[in-house]
This record gives sequence, C-alpha cells and structure tokens, in this order.
Amino acid sequence: NAGVMQNPRHLVRRRGQEARLRCSPMKGHSHVYWYRQLPEEGLKFMVYLQKENIIDESGMPKERFSAEFPKEGPSILRIQQVVRGDSAAYFCASSPQGAGGPSRPDTQYFGPGTRLTVL
Amino acid sequence: KQEVTQIPAALSVPEGENLVLNCSFTDSAIYNLQWFRQDPGKGLTSLLLIQSSQREQTSGRLNASLDKSSGRSTLYIAASQPGDSATYLCAVVQGAQKLVFGQGTRLTINP
Repeated sequence: NAGVMQNPRHLVRRRGQEARLRCSPMKGHSHVYWYRQLPEEGLKFMVYLQKENIIDESGMPKERFSAEFPKEGPSILRIQQVVRGDSAAYFCASSPQGAGGPSRPDTQYFGPGTRLTVL
Repeated sequence: KQEVTQIPAALSVPEGENLVLNCSFTDSAIYNLQWFRQDPGKGLTSLLLIQSSQREQTSGRLNASLDKSSGRSTLYIAASQPGDSATYLCAVVQGAQKLVFGQGTRLTINP
C-alpha cells in the first residue's frame, strides 16, 4: 500500500516561472491537504480539497497560488510567477475522510514533500 | 485564532534518559491533537493521535497526554535512543480538518 506520493521531490525555478507540484493521495483517500514550511518556520495550512471541490482555502495566498484535485489524477498545487519568498517545502497530506465532527477525527498521512527553490 | 506553542525549541539529552516535550494551544475547541516526527529533509510521520475525548495514548516507548481544558499536551519518551533524534511537532485539528502546527522541538539524543 503505497503512501502519499509527491513529485517532484526537488524543483528549481527562476523568478517569474511557474511551479507545478503534484500529490497522489494514498489509495482510498479522497481528501487532500497542502501545507507549506518556510525556512526556519513551522508548517502552515494552505488548502483542503476533495475530489473536484475546494473545501477550505483560507491559508492560500490571494494571488498566484491555486490548487485543484480533479476527478482523475493527482492533486496539483500551482504557483504562477514565482518569487524568492516562495522557496519552501510544500507538503501534501491525505485522509480517508475529512471533517465529520468530533466523532470522525482522521489521521492525516503526509507525503515526503517537494522542496521548491526559486533562484 | 488558534496558536500552538512548543517548549523547549531544542533539547539535547544523553541516551537512556526519559524526557518530556510540551505543547500548549490557545483554543480548547479542538477535535484532536497529533504528535508527528520530522527527520531532516523528510516528510512527517504520525506518532500518536489523541481524540478530544481522550486523556492519553500510548505507542511503545511513547506516551502522549491531553488536558483540553488547560490547553496542554505532553509527549513522554521513555529510555531515549539516538534514533529518536528528530524534530517533534504537535498539531491540533479544528474546523475542516486543517492542522495547526507548533514550531516543533528539535531533539538530539547523545550516545
């Protein structure tokens, strides 16, 4: 049973280019979460998606960032016109079910992350 | 706004010692609390999950406690080993399952 897969593991982009980060959740998981870990900082929630739906994007920067989780294929986190401040580790997590109230807490399983470096 | 704080930021102990890592959170309306381990350059490994109705969880040499009313959790590691060296992260779940993380405690176990 493969875990959460992310690719690429390392991505280098020049300022102004686009970055596309991919996340394949664990088999049977239909909920995906993206987190960002800036250098010397903790992980911060970005967005929570289910298949074809964005549930919570309260942590996403207002511009240049977008996320999707199509019916088929991996979840994609897209960063347009990258700047040096976007350099970070981006982690994806998945769970079998999402929020179901206090009676349905689910462990989130994390991928190995994509380390984005913007030159 | 939920804030999670972990103390200490770094800890170095000799092998074999028992140790406690601390986590506090400002809003007690949580669904659950998780402890993770992160190795340098790697992803996160879930260690323990405590539901809001529980007081503690145990896995091997690890024991996590939760006092929701006071907004605190502790992770107890018994008989520490060099392989336990890593950053330990505490996170609480509120609302739509998003995790709010502390800054982590960087643990070094010296042989």
